[in-house]
Amino acid sequence: AQSVTQLGSHVSVSEGALVLLRCNYSSSVPPYLFWYVQYPNQGLQLLLKYTTGATLVKGINGFEAEFKKSETSFHLTKPSAHMSDAAEYFCAVTENTGFQKLVFGTGTRLLVSP
Amino acid sequence: IAGITQAPTSQILAAGRRMTLRCTQDMRHNAMYWYRQDLGLGLRLIHYSNTAGTTGKGEVPDGYSVSRANTDDFPLTLASAVPSQTSVYFCASSVEGARYNEQFFGPGTRLTVL
Repeated sequence: AQSVTQLGSHVSVSEGALVLLRCNYSSSVPPYLFWYVQYPNQGLQLLLKYTTGATLVKGINGFEAEFKKSETSFHLTKPSAHMSDAAEYFCAVTENTGFQKLVFGTGTRLLVSP
Repeated sequence: IAGITQAPTSQILAAGRRMTLRCTQDMRHNAMYWYRQDLGLGLRLIHYSNTAGTTGKGEVPDGYSVSRANTDDFPLTLASAVPSQTSVYFCASSVEGARYNEQFFGPGTRLTVL
């Protein structure tokens, strides 16, 4: 079965610094991978997704992620953090057993300090 | 309305009581999902429906039931609530169950069972 591991339940950065949120997946088939963001007291919103093709995926708000099959990773990055990026981020992989469902990681809370 | 609505926003419930969480979407999506979000555990799938009239069990279905009488509504029922069902519940929908399709999330229902 597919699974996702997010390293670090909390990541703290200064405003303007590089953001790096780590995600490793386990899948017996080529995965489809997603990053979602959750702002306080809200539902999840899609940041970006990898399906096929280009391994570097660009999303909203300046975020991007690179699919690396050899490392089974899909890390999320942003060159320069903004205060408004403070939120919880979830990596997810589709489960390829019949009806397609998402399997989520446990989430990483991004804290941005001035 | 646009997107997914959930009701109530929050609820405090006595153990043993019956409770139905409501979810309505106006996007004519075929697939709908119920997740619970718990600290340190991320989102876990409770039940899903890939089309009106059909439902399936997710990762943590025990103590919950769902129905899908039409495309728009997907209520989640706790027949006899227990304290371990204290959580934030999110409803989501997608065009269909295809692996690459984005899931759209509602704002959530915060449920406390005492």
